[in-house]
Amino acid sequence: EIVMTQSPATLSVSPGERATLSCRASQSVSSKLVWYQQKPGQAPRLLIYGASTRATGIPARFSGSGSGTEFTLTISSLQSEDFAVYYCQQYNKWPLTFGGGTKVEIK
Amino acid sequence: EVQLVESGGGVVRPGGSLRLSCAASGFTFDDYGMSWVRQAPGKGLEWVSGINWNGDSPHYADSVKGRFTISRDNAKNSLYLQMNSLRAEDTAFYYCALYIDHVGFEYWGQGTLVTVSS
Repeated sequence: EIVMTQSPATLSVSPGERATLSCRASQSVSSKLVWYQQKPGQAPRLLIYGASTRATGIPARFSGSGSGTEFTLTISSLQSEDFAVYYCQQYNKWPLTFGGGTKVEIK
Repeated sequence: EVQLVESGGGVVRPGGSLRLSCAASGFTFDDYGMSWVRQAPGKGLEWVSGINWNGDSPHYADSVKGRFTISRDNAKNSLYLQMNSLRAEDTAFYYCALYIDHVGFEYWGQGTLVTVSS
């Protein structure tokens, strides 16, 4: 199976600052990479698909980049509602696999 | 409005069985693949199983292969997960999720908790 590795595990950022989250695949997944946001007690929310396409209703401060094995989610200016856990997931091959998550917390 | 409502969770002893259901509404159910994704309390997301639109192509995570069976009834707009030989490590919230090709899991249910404990 394709192993997805996210770093860092925790990212401490001040409101208004930029956050950069990384996701690495153990083999190429092309651009078949999704990012999700999850807040406590809630189901995940799809943010980015195809590595770089924002889902409907997702603010422009969220952007995704990368292809192959290296991917990045950037939040350009963190708002209070952005503090959450972020997961990447590949859909290039079965079984589908998620990364372990990055928690973005208030510094 | 898309709605996915899971049911069937509960407490079960190791080695026991449980059947989860997911009632779907607000979209054409037999147009889409569906999956089950789980999350142990305080842990990350783990994809468990997925099935295509007509049910003839199921897929499973290695951790549940041979123990869990996914199925769907398009006439009832429902998705199921039969879980046998349950283990303590299967304890988690189980989410039903709508899978859109080339996009991902755009819609999720609120989850049902399965606890495997003696």
